[in-house]
Amino acid sequence: GAVVSQHPSRVICKSGTSVKIECRSLDFQATTMFWYRQFPKQSLMLMATSNEGSKATYEQGVEKDKFLINHASLTLSTLTVTSAHPEDSSFYICSARDQMGDPLYEQYFGPGTRLTVT
Amino acid sequence: AQSVTQPDIHITVSEGASLELRCNYSYGATPYLFWYVQSPGQGLQLLLKYFSGDTLVQGIKGFEAEFKRSQSSFNLRKPSVHWSDAAEYFCAVDSNQAGTALIFGKGTTLSVSS
Repeated sequence: GAVVSQHPSRVICKSGTSVKIECRSLDFQATTMFWYRQFPKQSLMLMATSNEGSKATYEQGVEKDKFLINHASLTLSTLTVTSAHPEDSSFYICSARDQMGDPLYEQYFGPGTRLTVT
Repeated sequence: AQSVTQPDIHITVSEGASLELRCNYSYGATPYLFWYVQSPGQGLQLLLKYFSGDTLVQGIKGFEAEFKRSQSSFNLRKPSVHWSDAAEYFCAVDSNQAGTALIFGKGTTLSVSS
């Protein structure tokens, strides 16, 4: 099956700094990628939809100036958490939809990035 | 709007006993349905999926799920649970449209007792 990678898998940063997380589709092209956030013992909550070559679409309540998304190519989307604070500590998971899939445009998930802000 | 309900927050099953995790969905058209498992600190692993055809779907690790349109349900089952099955289980619904994401239920935590 298709593979989605994320880098880094874990990151610890100081409060006030910015952190970039990469999401790559390794063996397929993805015009659309998705970013989810998961707090401990909770479900995945969709943060934003990343569209190649255009602006991301953010879910209600997600600060677009804090969570910058760039989808510069058909295989790479990045999420930058700007001016991170401890409340941003979470597990961030990306996914990408294989739009060449038949009959299902299956969504493949990355392994996640654990962000800890101290 | 799509939504997924997992009524059971936490279930404890004895090792070797059978398991059923409930999932109800709300969607206007034919849904595409998934079950994922997540171990602590890990990413998601796809157990099985349904998008058409036979309403009884077989997955990995001995799991199966049955799609019942009349009940808007997609319950996950396993005849004999192993201690290694202890994890968080998520049901998800998809519209299979390019620009939309999977919507997840809140999850069910499975504990296995010896």
